[in-house]
Amino acid sequence: KAGVTQTPRYLIKTRGQQVTLSCSPISGHRSVSWYQQTPGQGLQFLFEYFSETQRNKGNFPGRFSGRQFSNSRSEMNVSTLELGDSALYLCASSSEGGRGNTIYFGEGSWLTVV
Amino acid sequence: KQEVTQIPAALSVPEGENLVLNCSFTDSAIYNLQWFRQDPGKGLTSLLLIQSSQREQTSGRLNASLDKSSGRSTLYIAASQPGDSATYLCAVITGANNLFFGTGTRLTVIP
Repeated sequence: KAGVTQTPRYLIKTRGQQVTLSCSPISGHRSVSWYQQTPGQGLQFLFEYFSETQRNKGNFPGRFSGRQFSNSRSEMNVSTLELGDSALYLCASSSEGGRGNTIYFGEGSWLTVV
Repeated sequence: KQEVTQIPAALSVPEGENLVLNCSFTDSAIYNLQWFRQDPGKGLTSLLLIQSSQREQTSGRLNASLDKSSGRSTLYIAASQPGDSATYLCAVITGANNLFFGTGTRLTVIP
């Protein structure tokens, strides 16, 4: 059974640009959540999608957005990139969401903003 | 707001030693707690999931306990090996269905 797949693994963007990251969850999982990891702030929750609906959202500005498709694949978008957006972006999937279910993470997408 | 703390931040032990990693959280209204390991530059690997109604879970050399009332969890690693070197993270899930992560413990097992 394939794990959580994230693409691209590494990317470099310039301030002011936008970026789209993709996540394919484990087959059969309907919940996909996104996290940002930085050395200073640790792991922070961005948002969670379940059956194409955003079910929960963390405390990030509106420049961070996401969506989920009918096949449960998810994308997150960051517009007007800032230097502080440089981070490892992790996607996680679970069958019904975190309550009572193991959450599985992908390898992450390393974003560097210059 | 839920806050999760892990102590110590870093730990070095000789190979073969048993060790305990600590995790504490401020709000006991959690659904479950999950332990992960993260290798440098990699994503998170799930180790153990403890439901809020459970007291402990075991997998191989790993044993995790949960005391919800006191807001504490421990991860016990028996007979540590160099391959156990990684950062260990605990995370709790609340009613809002999102994970709150601790700051992690960086473990080094010295051969």
